[in-house]
Amino acid sequence: GEDVEQSLFLSVREGDSSVINCTYTDSSSTYLYWYKQEPGAGLQLLTYIFSNMDMKQDQRLTVLLNKKDKHLSLRIADTQTGDSAIYFCAAGSGNTPLVFGKGTRLSVIA
Amino acid sequence: GAVVSQHPSWVICKSGTSVKIECRSLDFQATTMFWYRQFPKQSLMLMATSNEGSKATYEQGVEKDKFLINHASLTLSTLTVTSAHPEDSSFYICSARGRWDTEAFFGQGTRLTVV
Repeated sequence: GEDVEQSLFLSVREGDSSVINCTYTDSSSTYLYWYKQEPGAGLQLLTYIFSNMDMKQDQRLTVLLNKKDKHLSLRIADTQTGDSAIYFCAAGSGNTPLVFGKGTRLSVIA
Repeated sequence: GAVVSQHPSWVICKSGTSVKIECRSLDFQATTMFWYRQFPKQSLMLMATSNEGSKATYEQGVEKDKFLINHASLTLSTLTVTSAHPEDSSFYICSARGRWDTEAFFGQGTRLTVV
């Protein structure tokens, strides 16, 4: 089955760019997602990318997908303190449940 | 995006009692709903998948008699934790997906504390 891995912690200074990386194993995953979770809250969908795309940009967020290496990254430009949260990478296809990584805790230092 | 409302946001119950958590899709028909459990500082663990009108499919290791899932309508699924014990204390999150949707929308989660 699918296995999703991501680094557990990332610390950046306010105003810098943050890059959160993720790898997955199942090449048949057609959708790759990034979710944000703030303390005590549910998951908020940030963005997603289809497997036939290389890049997707949405305001401060840029998603890069290297399908050959099964590597996904989320870049947050001009990181703010409000971006501090846990970011989950998830992979899925069709109506199957999403498989989540363990989450990357992003800390933004003012 | 679509809205999924989960209720209650938090609940404290006594050991041995049952607790029901509701998950509602407010502006779309959720043909499939997923229930996840999240332990502190860990990822989401899928508990079960339910399609409207069908019995839920449970993941390995999840007791279906303890975690009762009902998906009787296209806008409501419920998870009942029966005879709750302290080890059932966790954060439970539902997500819902429409028939033609590519993404699943998540509820805000329910923090269950069993004392």
